[in-house]
Amino acid sequence: QVQLQESGPGLVKPSQTLSLTCTVSGGSISSGSYYWSWIRQPAGKGLEWIGRIYTSGNTNYNPSLKSRVTISVDTSKNQFSLKLSSVTAADTAVYYCARASSSWYLWFDPWGQGTLVTVSS
Amino acid sequence: QSVLTQPPSASGTPGQRVTISCSGSSSNIGSNYVYWYQQLPGTAPKLLIYSNNQRPSGVPDRFSGSKSGTSGSLAISGLRSEDEADYYCAAWDDSLSGVFGGGTKLTVL
Repeated sequence: QVQLQESGPGLVKPSQTLSLTCTVSGGSISSGSYYWSWIRQPAGKGLEWIGRIYTSGNTNYNPSLKSRVTISVDTSKNQFSLKLSSVTAADTAVYYCARASSSWYLWFDPWGQGTLVTVSS
Repeated sequence: QSVLTQPPSASGTPGQRVTISCSGSSSNIGSNYVYWYQQLPGTAPKLLIYSNNQRPSGVPDRFSGSKSGTSGSLAISGLRSEDEADYYCAAWDDSLSGVFGGGTKLTVL
């Protein structure tokens, strides 16, 4: 059974780069046809799709974040990563990684438990 | 400001049927599938509906979805106390990105 786990700093200073990693266990990140995705949720607010990477390395990003986001994959470590540059307080949120079906783009399963990232000096 | 529009709250009594609406545009709901998620406090969302009206294995048939034009809706029949949660709609957008609704908090009275 595939499981996902987010890791990274819980506190990031404004204008710096937020970096998170999602470690995939119980299966190979290269097997099957999946999109490895990032979604975030500010406290008390709704979900926001950040972007995704296919096993081939192809990426898609939320247009509102595209200039600041990079998603990459490291198949040797069975991990994929998120980098969000020039962060502000508005980027404070719980960040989830999730696997999405290549047939049903927004069928996310499984999800990581989520990790809270706070942007503050 | 979410791309998809949902009512912020909904409520019903046990056994009742409630519906939650989700309004989008021609570039998302109008040309792509609608998904629905349930989120309990402190947990990751759980998929309830995909492809407008399909339920993943294990989701009770009390949950149903539909789509018409640029709007989708989620119906919950035989409302139970454990259905009290936040519900989110989602759809793929032709800009090659996913979009979510702002969420609806369902209260079981």
